[in-house]
Amino acid sequence: DAKTTQPTSMDCAEGRAANLPCNHSTISGNEYVYWYRQIHSQGPQYIIHGLKNNETNEMASLIITEDRKSSTLILPHATLRDTAVYYCIVYNTDKLIFGTGTRLQVFP
Amino acid sequence: GAVVSQHPSWVICKSGTSVKIECRSLDFQATTMFWYRQFPKQSLMLMATSNEGSKATYEQGVEKDKFLINHASLTLSTLTVTSAHPEDSSFYICSAGPGPGPYEQYFGPGTRLTVT
Repeated sequence: DAKTTQPTSMDCAEGRAANLPCNHSTISGNEYVYWYRQIHSQGPQYIIHGLKNNETNEMASLIITEDRKSSTLILPHATLRDTAVYYCIVYNTDKLIFGTGTRLQVFP
Repeated sequence: GAVVSQHPSWVICKSGTSVKIECRSLDFQATTMFWYRQFPKQSLMLMATSNEGSKATYEQGVEKDKFLINHASLTLSTLTVTSAHPEDSSFYICSAGPGPGPYEQYFGPGTRLTVT
């Protein structure tokens, strides 16, 4: 499975958009981009996934570049409850392999 | 989304004893479940893939005789930590999904194991 690179940490003001980048330059054509988050001492929570097209759901939007080598997760109006570690994962098998993720801190 | 439960949510045991952790998919059937371990301030590490009706597949470096996995039904997988030692103290998390991959997986709330 392709490896991903994410910033270690980011800050975001409450009410503003949080844009979390992810590089996956070695992604292959049949690998999906998945995003999960983990709030402290809880199990990870699925957010969104995509293959080529941009995706949006009630939680977030996923923007994938045309060459698919990078993507951005957008939380349109961050709240304090969005403080968590966000994981970007690319895979096409049944296994999710977690990297180190981005620790997002939303402040008042 | 789908719900995955774990029991117990936390457990304390003495060194040398065995501990069983249950993972259940509550509103869907899962032929495959996954077990992860997470140490403080670290990411999740995949331990093994639990397959209903067959042997589990363990990741490299994970002792299969120490971490026994049983996937007896389409909604239940168990992880037994045998002869636990303090270094086995960790946060154990399971996940499952409703279909063949790639698909979103749903994670349990985790079980915190402390071995004294």
